[in-house]
Amino acid sequence: TQLLEQSPQFLSIQEGENLTVYCNSSSVFSSLQWYRQEPGEGPVLLVTVVTGGEVKKLKRLTFQFGDARKDSSLHITAAQPGDTGLYLCAGAVNNQGGKLIFGQGTELSVKP
Amino acid sequence: SQTIHQWPATLVQPVGSPLSLECTVEGTSNPNLYWYRQAAGRGLQLLFYSVGIGQISSEVPQNLSASRPQDRQFILSSKKLLLSDSGFYLCASERGGGNEQFFGPGTRLTVL
Repeated sequence: TQLLEQSPQFLSIQEGENLTVYCNSSSVFSSLQWYRQEPGEGPVLLVTVVTGGEVKKLKRLTFQFGDARKDSSLHITAAQPGDTGLYLCAGAVNNQGGKLIFGQGTELSVKP
Repeated sequence: SQTIHQWPATLVQPVGSPLSLECTVEGTSNPNLYWYRQAAGRGLQLLFYSVGIGQISSEVPQNLSASRPQDRQFILSSKKLLLSDSGFYLCASERGGGNEQFFGPGTRLTVL
């Protein structure tokens, strides 16, 4: 069974702090996506990383794909209350069509 | 860009009653379609996926079924709901081989 372990599960921080969310697996992924979800809504795609070692930036969010394409991290700089939500990582495995394996999610709360 | 519609948005059903949730996709053709269930604030569990009309793959044993009568229509059904079927059901579409999935707004199902 392929698993994608995401940590931490819960994170409560003050506005202005930095944070990092991790996704780890023993499986190699052809690509990895990060999503953000607000309560009662569907997840929204933030970024896709494809190449080992790849780094992508989206304003204050930095996404990194591990060299071996087994892990990824999301770093948020100077978090704001608007960053509050559920962050999900999802990996695509070769020869599995378009199916994704999702992590269990990180529930982030940023207090003003 | 593609848009995914789901209805109903919320549903309260008694145990033993039937279920039909509908998902339709706009802005793309021949997408791969997915049904997920999400427990509160957690990751997504893949229930069914479809690569074309009439083609359904089931990921987990359960009393739910799926059908794809048209290219951009995906239906989740049950003949008799169980309490454990309660949850947030998400439909997703993937097109182009990039493994990026786009989600609908979800249906909140409560079985009493």
